[in-house]
Amino acid sequence: EAGVAQSPRYKIIEKRQSVAFWCNPISGHATLYWYQQILGQGPKLLIQFQNNGVVDDSQLPKDRFSAERLKGVDSTLKIQPAKLEDSAVYLCASSSTSGDTQYFGPGTRLTVL
Amino acid sequence: GDSVTQMEGPVTLSEEAFLTINCTYTATGYPSLFWYVQYPGEGLQLLLKATKADDKGSNKGFEATYRKETTSFHLEKGSVQVSDSAVYFCALGPSGSARQLTFGSGTQLTVLP
Repeated sequence: EAGVAQSPRYKIIEKRQSVAFWCNPISGHATLYWYQQILGQGPKLLIQFQNNGVVDDSQLPKDRFSAERLKGVDSTLKIQPAKLEDSAVYLCASSSTSGDTQYFGPGTRLTVL
Repeated sequence: GDSVTQMEGPVTLSEEAFLTINCTYTATGYPSLFWYVQYPGEGLQLLLKATKADDKGSNKGFEATYRKETTSFHLEKGSVQVSDSAVYFCALGPSGSARQLTFGSGTQLTVLP
């Protein structure tokens, strides 16, 4: 079974630029999560989708971050414009309908200069 | 709100030493508890979990017991190997679920040969 796929693996941009990350969850997983992991900290949930609907986006900085999951499968997370403090690893995870285990992708490491 | 406090690292041990990584939590109700491991350059992997008080999760020689009276879920291994070098994260989720996880800050473990 293929795991959670993410791309790109690394991205370097300058502040005020925009960037987008892509995630393909495990086939059949209805729930998809995006996390932000700042160096030295644990992952922080940004947004949770159930199929193509948003379940929780309470910690998403909506003035600059947006996410979508239009067909209930792949998802994209966008930052526009980026700030220095957005430098982090962005993790995507998915879980089945039972929700008893989250499976994580390898992450995208973003550096904002 | 819910929170997880982990033993600060980094932790450095010799091969075959005994490992304990402390984890305590604050939550309402009866959360599910998890340990995730992150090897260098990889995403988080579920190591073990426990969903109710006094449950013991175990995997790959690692164990953790859900102690409601002390609100703890300490990770232990009797004899660590060099290949156990990684970052370990304690996390909690809603009762019986891995949704909306709250993570601790992580503990870096280095095992020397």
